[in-house]
Amino acid sequence: GESVGLHLPTLSVQEGDNSIINCAYSNSASDYFIWYKQESGKGPQFIIDIRSNMDKRQGQRVTVLLNKTVKHLSLQIAATQPGDSAVYFCAEKDPMNRDDKIIFGKGTRLHILP
Amino acid sequence: DTEVTQTPKHLVMGMTNKKSLKCEQHMGHRAMYWYKQKAKKPPELMFVYSYEKLSINESVPSRFSPECPNSSLLNLHLHALQPEDSALYLCASSQDRDSYNEQFFGPGTRLTVL
Repeated sequence: GESVGLHLPTLSVQEGDNSIINCAYSNSASDYFIWYKQESGKGPQFIIDIRSNMDKRQGQRVTVLLNKTVKHLSLQIAATQPGDSAVYFCAEKDPMNRDDKIIFGKGTRLHILP
Repeated sequence: DTEVTQTPKHLVMGMTNKKSLKCEQHMGHRAMYWYKQKAKKPPELMFVYSYEKLSINESVPSRFSPECPNSSLLNLHLHALQPEDSALYLCASSQDRDSYNEQFFGPGTRLTVL
């Protein structure tokens, strides 16, 4: 079954504020996680990934935090902009170790308030 | 060229029709994927091709028939579909079947089955 899920289906954030999107997973064997952004009418777009040997990884305006103790990861977006409006999915490499497969979580819609 | 293209963008078909979805990439990727995405749901993996050979079939009904004629092209042949098959069909590609490699997604084909 699907082990990756999200705490909130929607998140509304003031433009310029930081956004934090959370994700929980259930299989302690999961070792690789990816965040995707999907804008309306488009396919998912890779944002950032993290392996289980790391706690934190930073990109341009985005940071992913991984807490293996509580099986939780988060995506932080700094200085949220209107272009950040999208659905954000966390995904994990199949913990059954099939190389090809990633499993998507349920998704969080991010609304940017003017 | 870092783009995955899909045609058509929209498709409406009856339950007795036969149609095909097409996907193309020119990034030299050797793994290609079909996903199905229902409204407000995450993408779900259907098929994976690696070096033009089918490597994963996620127990997809036989009314969906994938084909990989060469390393740049991926087709999904549709026959005798049901209304519940209406969804966004996403194609993706990656360097190879190792899921540590970023998957690049196309914009999808929105399919409606009447």
